[in-house]
Amino acid sequence: NAGVTQTPKFQVLKTGQSMTLQCAQDMNHNSMYWYRQDPGMGLRLIYYSASEGTTDKGEVPNGYNVSRLNKREFSLRLESAAPSQTSVYFCASTRSWTGGLGANVLTFGAGSRLTVL
Amino acid sequence: RKEVEQDPGPFNVPEGATVAFNCTYSNSASQSFFWYRQDCRKEPKLLMSVYSSGNEDGRFTAQLNRASQYISLLIRDSKLSDSATYLCVVNDAFSGGYNKLIFGAGTRLAVHP
Repeated sequence: NAGVTQTPKFQVLKTGQSMTLQCAQDMNHNSMYWYRQDPGMGLRLIYYSASEGTTDKGEVPNGYNVSRLNKREFSLRLESAAPSQTSVYFCASTRSWTGGLGANVLTFGAGSRLTVL
Repeated sequence: RKEVEQDPGPFNVPEGATVAFNCTYSNSASQSFFWYRQDCRKEPKLLMSVYSSGNEDGRFTAQLNRASQYISLLIRDSKLSDSATYLCVVNDAFSGGYNKLIFGAGTRLAVHP
């Protein structure tokens, strides 16, 4: 099992360019998440999808959009990249969006390192 | 006050040492708690969940103190391979209806020969 797969692993953009980060999971998980990780800060939730067909804003959604294409895939789009969006982005999934033993354990992708010049 | 706070470290310890990390959380209604491990330039991975009664997994022991709102991680007989950043994660599930997993910034551990 591949788990959670993210592409690309690295990307350099110029300010104002757009791009989409792709994420796919093969664990039949219902919920998917996009986080960003910056030095000295905890992972911060950008957007999440509790289940197929739904998406909601997290803690830091400004400048991003998402699409839950199907149960497996959840993409993150930067419409007009800014230097403040330089970060490491992690896609993750959980079996469920509610609590319950094991249901809320996150499985992460390997991360996408984005630099905006 | 941050929702989840950790000492960033680094904790530099020799092999074989015992080391403990604490993590404090601000929401007394938090539902569940976890420790994740993150190696340099890698993704976080679940190390262990933290149960109310405390739990142990080999050399690792996790404790929860709800009254003082902190969780702890104890590592005994440290190995070089334990060198990593340890992330404290608190789940405010049902707050807004989803798994609101709040991450601490992490505590870095460096084990040396």
